[in-house]
Amino acid sequence: DIQMTQSPSSLSASVGDRVTITCRASQSITRWLAWYQQKPGKAPKLLIYKASILESGVPSRFSGSGSGTEFTLTISSLQPDDFATYYCQQYNRYSLYSFGQGTKLEI
Amino acid sequence: EVQLVQSGADVKKPGESLRISCQGSGYNFNNSFITWVRQVPGKGLEWMGRIDPSDSSTNYSPSFQGHVTILVDKSINTAYLQWSSLKPSDIAIYYCARQSAVAGLDVWGQGTSVTVSS
Repeated sequence: DIQMTQSPSSLSASVGDRVTITCRASQSITRWLAWYQQKPGKAPKLLIYKASILESGVPSRFSGSGSGTEFTLTISSLQPDDFATYYCQQYNRYSLYSFGQGTKLEI
Repeated sequence: EVQLVQSGADVKKPGESLRISCQGSGYNFNNSFITWVRQVPGKGLEWMGRIDPSDSSTNYSPSFQGHVTILVDKSINTAYLQWSSLKPSDIAIYYCARQSAVAGLDVWGQGTSVTVSS
């Protein structure tokens, strides 16, 4: 099975900051990587897929990059609505899927 | 509107059986896998398994294989997650999600809370 490791597990930041979250896969997943945002009491929301493609309706301050085993999610200028927990997920079609452990972004 | 609507919260005793549901609408239900995801209170997301509604084929995470069963009734666009014998460790919120071929899990249900208590 492919293991996904996110870092950091938590992050404190301020409105306007630029933040980066990293996700590493235990083996190559080419670009089959998605990022999700989850707020308390809500279902996760897809932000980015295929490592760098922004889902429709997601603000352009979110961006993703990477391929193979290392990926990043960047928020260019944090807004109050961005404080949430973020998860990466690999969806390599030749394996079972898996999530990273999450990164809690706090004020 | 594309949506997945899940059944309501449930409270069961240890050893009881349970089936929760996830009904899709607004798209061709047969064309996309349905995935189930567990979230234990205060913890992260865990991928449990998926089903292809077109042929009912399934894949399970080793962590959940043998403890849950994923089913589908494509005549009513509904997927199910089923337990034959619940344990207190099954307390969680369970989400279903549509698995896009390219975009990962692009549509999510609202979640179903399962409580197991004697």
